[in-house]
Amino acid sequence: EPEVTQTPSHQVTQMGQEVILRCVPISNHLYFYWYRQILGQKVEFLVSFYNNEISEKSEIFDDQFSVERPDGSNFTLKIRSTKLEDSAMYFCASSQGNLALHFGNGTRLTVT
Amino acid sequence: AQSVTQPDIHITVSEGASLELRCNYSYGATPYLFWYVQSPGQGLQLLLKYFSGDTLVQGIKGFEAEFKRSQSSFNLRKPSVHWSDAAEYFCAVGEEYGNKLVFGAGTILRVKS
Repeated sequence: EPEVTQTPSHQVTQMGQEVILRCVPISNHLYFYWYRQILGQKVEFLVSFYNNEISEKSEIFDDQFSVERPDGSNFTLKIRSTKLEDSAMYFCASSQGNLALHFGNGTRLTVT
Repeated sequence: AQSVTQPDIHITVSEGASLELRCNYSYGATPYLFWYVQSPGQGLQLLLKYFSGDTLVQGIKGFEAEFKRSQSSFNLRKPSVHWSDAAEYFCAVGEEYGNKLVFGAGTILRVKS
C-alpha cells in the first residue's frame, strides 16, 4: 500500500536555527497537510495545501512557518527561527480530496 | 467552529471483551467523521470514515462506528478486543469541501490479559 514518507525521523536543532522537514506524499494525491502534536497534547492542524497554494492555515502557522512543493514529489515545512515551543512531532498527510488523510510516521523535532 | 470531544482519556479492557470509545462532535452541517489509531512512535492510521448514507460503517481490524445525528456522536466499537489493539485512538471531524480535519484529544486504550 502506498505510504507517506517523512524525513528525518528525528531532528535536533538549536533555538533560532532554521529547519526543513520533508515529506513525500502518496503519488496520486493532490492535497497536502502538516499537523503537529506536542507531547501529551492534541494533534493540531497547521496548514493545508492544494494546487501550489495554501488552502487554509491555523493561528499556529505564523510568519515563521512556510510550506513548499519544490518538485513533483516533495512537500516541505520550513520553520525559519525555531523556538523551544516548536518542539513537537510533525506529521505530514496527503489525500485525494475527501479528507481521508493518510499520515506519515512523523518527524520528532527537538529544539534546545 | 468544529470541535471534537473524546470524554475518556484512558480506557482499560480485558482481552476478548467488547470495546466502545466515545466521540462527540460540534458542527452545524453534516460532518465528515473519522477514526484514527496511533501506535507508539507511529503515524496515524485511518480506521474508518463516514461521509453519508448508512450510519453504521465498517473499518479495518474489525472496528465499526455508528453515526448518531441526534446525539452528535460517532462512537467506535469492536466486539472482541485483542492485545494488539492497545494504542491511542483519535476521532476527527471535517466538512464537505473543507480543508482540514479537527482532532479530538484521543483515548488511550490499554488491554489487559
